[in-house]
Amino acid sequence: GAVVSQHPSRVICKSGTSVKIECRSLDFQATTMFWYRQFPKQSLMLMATSNEGSKATYEQGVEKDKFLINHASLTLSTLTVTSAHPEDSSFYICSANGGTGDGAGGPDTQYFGPGTRLTVL
Amino acid sequence: RKEVEQDPGPFNVPEGATVAFNCTYSNSASQSFFWYRQDCRKEPKLLMSVYSSGNEDGRFTAQLNRASQYISLLIRDSKLSDSATYLCVVNWGNQGGKLIFGQGTELSVKP
Repeated sequence: GAVVSQHPSRVICKSGTSVKIECRSLDFQATTMFWYRQFPKQSLMLMATSNEGSKATYEQGVEKDKFLINHASLTLSTLTVTSAHPEDSSFYICSANGGTGDGAGGPDTQYFGPGTRLTVL
Repeated sequence: RKEVEQDPGPFNVPEGATVAFNCTYSNSASQSFFWYRQDCRKEPKLLMSVYSSGNEDGRFTAQLNRASQYISLLIRDSKLSDSATYLCVVNWGNQGGKLIFGQGTELSVKP
């Protein structure tokens, strides 16, 4: 089945530093990747849609200058949280659209990475 | 109205019980529907897609009513391992695969 990895799995950093999170599709090519954020006891909220070779589409209320997304290849998207602050502490999860014919749930199925838990002190 | 709304939880049931989760969505243009399962501090995992004709996978049955914009998930013969948060997820119309998640319903199956 389709596998998505994320790195790192956990980050603890000081306020003001930037944190880069990588999302990779390991055995398929993902033209579209998605970045979500989940606060405790809440559901996943889509932050942005990342398309290979083009600018990401950000959801309303998400600062594109703070959350930099790069999707330079069909297997890698990165999210950089710039000048992180304690309120940015959250569980960040990426997903990748598996494309057509994967059989695991239909062409709209998204495969999720294991998530990155960010704690900003 | 929330875009995707689920039954509030938590549901606390004994082993062997049958439990049903309900979900409504507001976008009539939605084409794809899913139930995901999320364990504590883990990523969501696809449980099953939901089709208009209804579909079953072992102890799990999903139903979709497009006219009412309503989705359900039935779990029969609950196991301890079914304890998790169940997320109703809807593909948001023609927006390139954008998924909208419900707030989730927590299920706790007790011995």
